[in-house]
Amino acid sequence: KNEVEQSPQNLTAQEGEFITINCSYSVGISALHWLQQHPGGGIVSLFMLSSGKKKHGRLIATINIQEKHSSLHITASHPRDSAVYICAARSGNTPLVFGKGTRLSVIA
Amino acid sequence: NAGVTQTPKFRVLKTGQSMTLLCAQDMNHEYMYWYRQDPGMGLRLIHYSVGEGTTAKGEVPDGYNVSRLKKQNFLLGLESAAPSQTSVYFCASGEETQYFGPGTRLLVL
Repeated sequence: KNEVEQSPQNLTAQEGEFITINCSYSVGISALHWLQQHPGGGIVSLFMLSSGKKKHGRLIATINIQEKHSSLHITASHPRDSAVYICAARSGNTPLVFGKGTRLSVIA
Repeated sequence: NAGVTQTPKFRVLKTGQSMTLLCAQDMNHEYMYWYRQDPGMGLRLIHYSVGEGTTAKGEVPDGYNVSRLKKQNFLLGLESAAPSQTSVYFCASGEETQYFGPGTRLLVL
């Protein structure tokens, strides 16, 4: 079974800082997902990637298949970015396995 | 377009009571999922379905049953609730990208 680990568990940043959240997984994957859980509880998908890098606004996701590692970067962080960020990995046709999440607080 | 909806939003049960959580999606997705989320743990898959009339066990299926009689609906049942089933339950649909419902907060006393 794939094990998905995220670091850090909690992160506090000042507005404007560059933020990196890390995700590592134990076995080869077909896709890696990043999700955001808002303070109110809603969960939305941010990225799905299997190689390279994807960018959406101030969010950038990268993956290194050889090292079994992915990062989520937030540039010019803002208090509205405060949320729990969740990494999830899929191997072949098996269901997603989720990390425990990284709780981000951005202070103005 | 409502996306994924869940009913109810919140429920309190006594140990031994039964209940059904309803998930509905209007995106014509084949795949649907039920997860539970507990403090300090990631989302854990309870059961899932790859199409109407099919169901499969996930990581933590014990104490739960599911049915997918219609493509748009996925029901999660608790036959005899236990305090260990106190959790927030999320439904999701979609194969590549998953779309989540707003969650159901369940408290079992």
